[in-house]
Amino acid sequence: KNEVEQSPQNLTAQEGEFITINCSYSVGISALHWLQQHPGGGIVSLFMLSSGKKKHGRLIATINIQEKHSSLHITASHPRDSAVYICAVAETSGSRLTFGEGTQLTVNP
Amino acid sequence: DAGVIQSPRHEVTEMGQEVTLRCKPISGHNSLFWYRQTMMRGLELLIYFNNNVPIDDSGMPEDRFSAKMPNASFSTLKIQPSEPRDSAVYFCASSLSGMVQGARETQYFGPGTRLLVL
Repeated sequence: KNEVEQSPQNLTAQEGEFITINCSYSVGISALHWLQQHPGGGIVSLFMLSSGKKKHGRLIATINIQEKHSSLHITASHPRDSAVYICAVAETSGSRLTFGEGTQLTVNP
Repeated sequence: DAGVIQSPRHEVTEMGQEVTLRCKPISGHNSLFWYRQTMMRGLELLIYFNNNVPIDDSGMPEDRFSAKMPNASFSTLKIQPSEPRDSAVYFCASSLSGMVQGARETQYFGPGTRLLVL
């Protein structure tokens, strides 16, 4: 069993739909990261959170430390949101990230 | 700021050759990470430097891999000898922290080096 599991692995949506990507983890963590990897391969950090909720534009990330679960939501999805979304956890020691396998999101116009 | 700079962007080499990947972190950042991404294993941490000192190298696959950070603005990842299974995209990332807890901060990724070993 992977320490970080994401669901779904693949997601196809129509433009304008509300999207949720889930991340569950089994280790003690000090922080959780959501990353976006564009089709060209570049990786961008979207959020780093250790509790509660963060919002940036149409993106919202939540985390429940007790349930060891985080979600990434995209409101009013757009084709430019098409990318791989990766969840990564910083273990309690804080010195390394452990990555999920990623969720491939495709938003069709 | 130019962001994290990696070179080369693409490298094709033959098995047995030495490969050197280079990274320039964002100026003022004190933590540097080398990652490898493959289809089979996804993203994996290879090594993490803080203030030029290797803190966690448990992800370095074997003795063929070595990494150095001679100063705050430059790091290298070397593979000698290279093997076909080393084919992957290698990312360098940096973060601001001067503490030994770089994974608790936002990391800024370079564009990656796509390595193909024939």
